[in-house]
Amino acid sequence: KAGVTQTPRYLIKTRGQQVTLSCSPISGHRSVSWYQQTPGQGLQFLFEYFSETQRNKGNFPGRFSGRQFSNSRSEMNVSTLELGDSALYLCASSLTGGGEKLFFGSGTQLSVL
Amino acid sequence: KQEVTQIPAALSVPEGENLVLNCSFTDSAIYNLQWFRQDPGKGLTSLLLIQSSQREQTSGRLNASLDKSSGRSTLYIAASQPGDSATYLCAVRQRWGNEKLTFGTGTRLTIIP
Repeated sequence: KAGVTQTPRYLIKTRGQQVTLSCSPISGHRSVSWYQQTPGQGLQFLFEYFSETQRNKGNFPGRFSGRQFSNSRSEMNVSTLELGDSALYLCASSLTGGGEKLFFGSGTQLSVL
Repeated sequence: KQEVTQIPAALSVPEGENLVLNCSFTDSAIYNLQWFRQDPGKGLTSLLLIQSSQREQTSGRLNASLDKSSGRSTLYIAASQPGDSATYLCAVRQRWGNEKLTFGTGTRLTIIP
């Protein structure tokens, strides 16, 4: 059974650009959540999608957005990139988002220059 | 606001020793707590999930305990091996249906051969 797949693995962008990250959950999982990991702030929750609807949202500016497709795949978009957006972006999936184990992908390492 | 703390931030022990990692949280009204390990530059691997009604969970050489009333959890690793070297993170989930996990700062564990 394939795990959570995130693409691309690495990204280098410049300030002001926008970026889209992709996440394919484990087959059958309907909940996808996104986290940002930085050395200074640790792991912080961005948002969660379930059945194509954003169900929960963290404390990030509106430049961070996401969506989920009918096959449960999810994308995250960051517009007008800032240096501080450099981080490892992790996606996690679970069956129903009802408190089961979360399974994480390997992440996308974003560097903003 | 929930805050999760892990002490120590780093720990080095000789191979074969038993060890305990600590996790404390400020709001005891949690739904469950999950322990993860993270290898450098990689995603998180789920180790154990403890529901708020449970006292402990075991998997192989790992045992996690939960004392909700005092806001503490411990991860016990028996007969440590070099392959156990990683960063260990605990995370709490506040309620059912909310996939926002609040993560601790992690303990970086090094097992010395």
